[in-house]
Amino acid sequence: AQKITQTQPGMFVQEKEAVTLDCTYDTSDQSYGLFWYKQPSSGEMIFLIYQGSYDEQNATEGRYSLNFQKARKSANLVISASQLGDSAMYFCAMREGNQAGTALIFGKGTTLSVSS
Amino acid sequence: EPEVTQTPSHQVTQMGQEVILRCVPISNHLYFYWYRQILGQKVEFLVSFYNNEISEKSEIFDDQFSVERPDGSNFTLKIRSTKLEDSAMYFCASSAGLAGVGDTQYFGPGTRLTVL
Repeated sequence: AQKITQTQPGMFVQEKEAVTLDCTYDTSDQSYGLFWYKQPSSGEMIFLIYQGSYDEQNATEGRYSLNFQKARKSANLVISASQLGDSAMYFCAMREGNQAGTALIFGKGTTLSVSS
Repeated sequence: EPEVTQTPSHQVTQMGQEVILRCVPISNHLYFYWYRQILGQKVEFLVSFYNNEISEKSEIFDDQFSVERPDGSNFTLKIRSTKLEDSAMYFCASSAGLAGVGDTQYFGPGTRLTVL
């Protein structure tokens, strides 16, 4: 079974609109971290936002917020006020357990296209 | 802002040749990682490294791969005898080694390896 599922291969949004990128996860661990990364066409992987399994508040980082619904095992990324520079591939990733050095497990990604 | 750097940005090699990919992690980080991304596919974990030892490795990280920290700043991935299927983007990452689930991994810009 997939540990991280991103069901939207591609999303399209107009500038200044908000967009939600879906991510569901599967783990039996009580301790885990959920991460979102952005990969522009230039190829680098840019860390955006993180949510811990014990965090009660949804994480926010500027225009990025994470809609964490633990019971549904979902960790959707919300980008508010989209900009042209947000066009990129977005990956959801999970780290199981609370020990440093553990692998990140990535989803297949969602390509976001922002138009003017 | 500190960042992970990788060299070269692009490496072309003949099948069967050895390649060494180089990374300079963020200076106060303790954990180092290699991931790869075959074109158009998701990011896959290869290995993590801590205190001059492999901390965790995936099934992909077989005997043809090795990692080393030859000095206080560099972290290398060696592929002994490259195969066509080793063609991919290779990412180095590092993390501070924080306790708990929030140990964020920061990625370098990647090395695109092409095996002919």
